[in-house]
Amino acid sequence: QKEVEQDPGPLSVPEGAIVSLNCTYSNSAFQYFMWYRQYSRKGPELLMYTYSSGNKEDGRFTAQVDKSSKYISLFIRDSQPSDSATYLCAIRGDSNYQLIWGAGTKLIIKP
Amino acid sequence: DAGVIQSPRHEVTEMGQEVTLRCKPISGHDYLFWYRQTMMRGLELLIYFNNNVPIDDSGMPEDRFSAKMPNASFSTLKIQPSEPRDSAVYFCATSRVGGVGPQHFGDGTRLSIL
Repeated sequence: QKEVEQDPGPLSVPEGAIVSLNCTYSNSAFQYFMWYRQYSRKGPELLMYTYSSGNKEDGRFTAQVDKSSKYISLFIRDSQPSDSATYLCAIRGDSNYQLIWGAGTKLIIKP
Repeated sequence: DAGVIQSPRHEVTEMGQEVTLRCKPISGHDYLFWYRQTMMRGLELLIYFNNNVPIDDSGMPEDRFSAKMPNASFSTLKIQPSEPRDSAVYFCATSRVGGVGPQHFGDGTRLSIL
């Protein structure tokens, strides 16, 4: 079993829809949870960064962490064609500076 | 503030040649990470440095790969000799003091070994 599981997609939705992207993880010691967005031929860029459990909102984006289920989610409201990209979850424990990466989900927003 | 700068952006070379990838980190970031990304294996950490010192190189696939960070402003990843299976996008990422912050990525070097 991989430490972080993420469905690679692709996930195709119409413009304006609410998008839900998810990752599951196996190690309960993980504390830092991140979502990165990667456009084609570019490096990943940080979207959301949360510590421990709970929700965090930033504009149209909401990150949610459920430590009891070892499940993290990224919600995108009012999705736009410019949101079309690959979304990677990344997780880190307290004592290790390395990130464990999901495979990335390719998201396509149809106009 | 300038981001992480990688060069070259693209490299095409023949099998057996030496390849050198370069990275200029964000000023003040004391952690530097080298990653490789492929469709099959996703994003893989190769090696990371703290204050110019290699901390963990367990991700380096073979002795053909080596990385250096001679100063806080520059790092290289070298492959010698290169093989077709080394074809991938190589990213450099850096992180602020303490490494607890997010990693900031360059735009990568797209490497093709013929």
